[in-house]
Amino acid sequence: GENVEQHPSTLSVQEGDSAVIKCTYSDSASNYFPWYKQELGKGPQLIIDIRSNVGEKKDQRIAVTLNKTAKHFSLHITETQPEDSAVYFCAAGGPDSGYALNFGKGTSLLVTP
Amino acid sequence: NAGVTQTPKFQVLKTGQSMTLQCAQDMNHNSMYWYRQDPGMGLRLIYYSASEGTTDKGEVPNGYNVSRLNKREFSLRLESAAPSQTSVYFCASSDFMVNSPLHFGNGTRLTVT
Repeated sequence: GENVEQHPSTLSVQEGDSAVIKCTYSDSASNYFPWYKQELGKGPQLIIDIRSNVGEKKDQRIAVTLNKTAKHFSLHITETQPEDSAVYFCAAGGPDSGYALNFGKGTSLLVTP
Repeated sequence: NAGVTQTPKFQVLKTGQSMTLQCAQDMNHNSMYWYRQDPGMGLRLIYYSASEGTTDKGEVPNGYNVSRLNKREFSLRLESAAPSQTSVYFCASSDFMVNSPLHFGNGTRLTVT
């Protein structure tokens, strides 16, 4: 089945700096790659997603890039703010998994003022 | 518009006891899911229901059963709880299985002693 690896597991940046989280996946048939943000005591919330026919997608300070050949995708957060502090999860899904999402183990991001 | 509602929020069980976790969504979504979240393990899929009337096993189904009661409701049952089932359980829903964002509830924190 699909295996999603996520790095780093923890990341600390200063306010205003950029943060990058990377994920790799194993199933070349996967075609949907969402990112979720989880704040303490809450469920994960979708922040951005990308489909395999697109190489990059941007939404204000957040961007995601996808390299299908290398089977990796990354989340980029620019101009980080303290409210960006949370746990971030990448996921991958496609026909081989019945389109059920497989999640990475998460990255705990801390943005210090 | 509440989104995905899970009850209860917290539960403590003794080994061998049974219980049902309830989940309801008000977004008219076709697909619903149960995930468990353990420290350092990310989110792992227990069961899912692609559409009303169907259910399928995910990555970690052992020890659980599910019922898709109607389009809105998807319950998770532990027949004989074990300490290994201590976890935070998240219900989610999506418009369809294929490449649709998941909407998560706020979780049920279950402790089995």
